[in-house]
Amino acid sequence: GAGVSQSPSNKVTEKGKDVELRCDPISGHTALYWYRQSLGQGLEFLIYFQGNSAPDKSGLPSDRFSAERTGGSVSTLTIQRTQQEDSAVYLCASSLGRTDTQYFGPGTRLTVL
Amino acid sequence: AQSVSQHNHHVILSEAASLELGCNYSYGGTVNLFWYVQYPGQHLQLLLKYFSGDPLVKGIKGFEAEFIKSKFSFNLRKPSVQWSDTAEYFCAVISSPSGNTPLVFGKGTRLSVIA
Repeated sequence: GAGVSQSPSNKVTEKGKDVELRCDPISGHTALYWYRQSLGQGLEFLIYFQGNSAPDKSGLPSDRFSAERTGGSVSTLTIQRTQQEDSAVYLCASSLGRTDTQYFGPGTRLTVL
Repeated sequence: AQSVSQHNHHVILSEAASLELGCNYSYGGTVNLFWYVQYPGQHLQLLLKYFSGDPLVKGIKGFEAEFIKSKFSFNLRKPSVQWSDTAEYFCAVISSPSGNTPLVFGKGTRLSVIA
């Protein structure tokens, strides 16, 4: 079946602009995660959605970052007023439930000039 | 809060050498444990996982890991590495079955296998 998809695959933007990154999880997966991967920094947890529960936003680095998940499926990560330090690969993953194996998308490479 | 430590940032091995990557976590309750791998230019993918039962788990490509509860460890091993094992390896832990905390990843270990 289809895996996790993300779009766009690459995004180049100017400092100060807003960007939206999209994630389509595997159908039926109730848990959805966003991570940020920077060179030498490993995987940085950003936000986690589980079913209809309130999302865990504890990893969002600033109030410029927000995410939503509509209808328990597609999720959008929004970064407002982008800064150069936001440049990274943004990964989305989904799993059947909170403790199950996560399946990762290919990521969106964001470059802020 | 849960945390995962991967003590080796970068490991360089010759082909056929044995591999052991360390992973320690901090959480006193029941956990599910994972090793993920990211080959160059590819997605993160599951290498192996431990949920319950035999603490020695076997994964793809000849990898195995042993859960030692008393040491809060889940080290990854392979008896003889190949050049194609060059990748970044991530250990991850989540409290199970109850709780609301998300999966926590270590910072990763980069493995370079040289001929």
